[in-house]
Amino acid sequence: DAGITQSPRHKVTETGTPVTLRCHQTENHRYMYWYRQDPGHGLRLIHYSYGVKDTDKGEVSDGYSVSRSKTEDFLLTLESATSSQTSVYFCAIRSGAGGLPSYEQYFGPGTRLTVT
Amino acid sequence: DQQVKQNSPSLSVQEGRISILNCDYTNSMFDYFLWYKKYPAEGPTFLISISSIKDKNEDGRFTVFLNKSAKHLSLHIVPSQPGDSAVYFCAARTTGNQFYFGTGTSLTVIP
Repeated sequence: DAGITQSPRHKVTETGTPVTLRCHQTENHRYMYWYRQDPGHGLRLIHYSYGVKDTDKGEVSDGYSVSRSKTEDFLLTLESATSSQTSVYFCAIRSGAGGLPSYEQYFGPGTRLTVT
Repeated sequence: DQQVKQNSPSLSVQEGRISILNCDYTNSMFDYFLWYKKYPAEGPTFLISISSIKDKNEDGRFTVFLNKSAKHLSLHIVPSQPGDSAVYFCAARTTGNQFYFGTGTSLTVIP
């Protein structure tokens, strides 16, 4: 199994408070992703990173920011949480190395966030 | 605007029979497709993938078929086993390293 952890695993917070979720990898993979999973929507990409300090937006990036100051850590921040951000958040990593295309991602166990 | 669609939310099959999971997409720029399997309270795990330049890829009991003209892919599981019961997501990659996932199909394999 790929070495990828997420913290916290569960969080309940109030509307308007800031929240930071952490993704940590031990694989030295280049790419890291944040997704949210919601019923009827599957997984949707929030932000991703293609290297230290290199990040880009996904399809549902509004209300979220990210930072990657080290290869192993990718942080997702909700500046002011809203009830619509109640979801399960998954981090994923991808190598991007090697001669042949290899696009499979390895996912963390997820963080269940509830905004009340 | 869902670019990757899985129109069957659920599927039940008998153990030993074939499971066929379907996925449709709208973006002709997708160049790589993947299937993931997800158990409750766990992250998705990679199952099998296919490049857009191929029409079939096989790995043990799992085969993925791609029909580019129809913008359709399918995952065949033969024979189906009770341990295959899970939610299956198809995903597609665009240039720029973004990935789009379908809404998932919950497969139940009945012993």
